[in-house]
Amino acid sequence: DQQVKQNSPSLSVQEGRISILNCDYTNSMFDYFLWYKKYPAEGPTFLISISSIKDKNEDGRFTVFLNKSAKHLSLHIVPSQPGDSAVYFCAATGNNRKLIWGLGTSLAVNP
Amino acid sequence: DTEVTQTPKHLVMGMTNKKSLKCEQHMGHRAMYWYKQKAKKPPELMFVYSYEKLSINESVPSRFSPECPNSSLLNLHLHALQPEDSALYLCASSQSGGGDTEAFFGQGTRLTVV
Repeated sequence: DQQVKQNSPSLSVQEGRISILNCDYTNSMFDYFLWYKKYPAEGPTFLISISSIKDKNEDGRFTVFLNKSAKHLSLHIVPSQPGDSAVYFCAATGNNRKLIWGLGTSLAVNP
Repeated sequence: DTEVTQTPKHLVMGMTNKKSLKCEQHMGHRAMYWYKQKAKKPPELMFVYSYEKLSINESVPSRFSPECPNSSLLNLHLHALQPEDSALYLCASSQSGGGDTEAFFGQGTRLTVV
């Protein structure tokens, strides 16, 4: 049973526009959420996180929104750049601090 | 230094070979991890070391044997692997010993078993 779901395997966006990557979760015990970015043949890179006590966290061009009642979070990238093209993984963790990963969304930002 | 360094970057080994993957970090992190990642899939946790002791083994076959010689080093010894073990093996570290939030990942070792 997939506890963290990224329902869009891929997303294509024009350079300069907003990219919105979505993630849904089923376990209400999750209290910390993270986004990782991964280029081919490289390890994932931590991007941004959010605690369940917040509904928004912003870091430069990246903003993560959390809607606990809907068990939904999203990553907004504004403006999108070609270098943002990568696979983005959503991950969640609870009391045991073990990361549960989504299957990833491949983002392509077109010049 | 915010790097996790893995060697080698690429490894091809036969099913009867014995080889080791190495991982090093100098961030003072007390938790280190081995993950396995297949193409187009998220990383799968294999082992967690917390304060140099094995704290999690995700039912990994015994042909994979982890070792943590000290707080900066983590090895993964490989023996009698199968072709289906071919994957990207990722090492990660994090500050706390209790979990793997905000882990820093290495570049990985691309392993091919022939």
